[in-house]
Formats: sequence, structure tokens, C-alpha cells
Amino acid sequence: LAKTTQPISMDSYEGQEVNITCSHNNIATNDYITWYQQFPSQGPRFIIQGYKTKVTNEVASLFIPADRKSSTLSLPRVSLSDTAVYYCLVGDEAAGNKLTFGGGTRVLVKP
Amino acid sequence: EPEVTQTPSHQVTQMGQEVILRCVPISNHLYFYWYRQILGQKVEFLVSFYNNEISEKSEIFDDQFSVERPDGSNFTLKIRSTKLEDSAMYFCASSEATLNTEAFFGQGTRLTVV
Repeated sequence: LAKTTQPISMDSYEGQEVNITCSHNNIATNDYITWYQQFPSQGPRFIIQGYKTKVTNEVASLFIPADRKSSTLSLPRVSLSDTAVYYCLVGDEAAGNKLTFGGGTRVLVKP
Repeated sequence: EPEVTQTPSHQVTQMGQEVILRCVPISNHLYFYWYRQILGQKVEFLVSFYNNEISEKSEIFDDQFSVERPDGSNFTLKIRSTKLEDSAMYFCASSEATLNTEAFFGQGTRLTVV
């Protein structure tokens, strides 16, 4: 049973903000939320991780509402090079000895 | 910035041949992983390795697969007798710990079995 649900794909344009929402209705108390990015023909790359409220780094922001049943990855002012697949992982999908990747969200940034 | 390096970047092999994929994890990391991604499909976990032994493996990681850390720096994946369906990108990864810790992935080895 998948722990996370996210849109299959999203299109955007250069300079826009992209928000990808991930649903994780069965998130457990101790679960963290982690996002990875994968460019074509490359390995996944860690973007951001959070537990509650808001986390921001140089790449993205992660917004987590109080009930933690969803989270939103926000990519500010995207460029063509942000075209990638973005994966949301929750709890033991991103802990223990392995990562369990779903299908991710394919983001296409257009000029 | 430290990185995980994998060699070769591309490998073409005949069905039934043995292949060894090589990885150099980040030097202070203690946990090592292999993943694979068949073209157009999800990234799939194969195996994790800690303290010189396998800590977890998936159903994909059958008797045809083995991993080894022959020295202090290399981490290898061996496929004993390759099949056509082994064609995929193989990613090595490493991390400092396991719980809520960033995993660093290499650029991958594209294995093509003909």
C-alpha cells in the first residue's frame, strides 16, 4: 500500500513558482517527510526534509500543515534546469536501510 | 562537495556473462546501497550493506547478485549470469546513518545486456 500520493506530472514556465503537493494520510507520529529530485539519466538527489511547519533551504521550501497529512514542496522561480522528477517519501520510505520510491511527479519547465 | 562515484558509466555485456559494477562511496559514510532503474520505471531498492554485511535486500536481489566491499573504499555489485531483463541503470548510494538521513547517489552505470 503506497504511503504517499502525488500528481504524475506538472508543467510550468520559467520564472514561475512550482508547488507539488504530496498526500500522506497515514503518516505516523515519528515519520519525517523527504523529497528527492531526479534528472534524466542521473541518480536521485536529496532536496529537503521536514517534520512540521516549514523548512527552507537554498533549493526549496517544504510546507507541512498541522495535521501532517500532506506536504507541499515549493520551488521558487524555476528554470529549465529544474525539469526533473520529484519524489515524496515518508517515514520508513526514507529511513531504515532503504528508500522506497514511488512514481514521483514529472515537472516540465517550459521557456 | 563529496560525491559517490561509479564506474563504468556504460557497460554492454552478453547474456550469461558476469559483470561487476563499481562504486566508491563517500569516505566517512557507513551505509551503502544499490538501486536499479529500468528505463521508464521506478527506482527500485536492491540491497543495503553495513558493517561488511548485507543488512537488507529486496526480492530482486536473488542468488545471481552479490555485493562486496573488498577494501576500505570500493563497493561492488556483481551479477553472475546476466539476463536481458537486468538491463537498467544501476545506482550506488551511501549515507552516514539510516534514520532520516540524506542518501547520496552516484551518477549510475547503464548496463545493457544483449
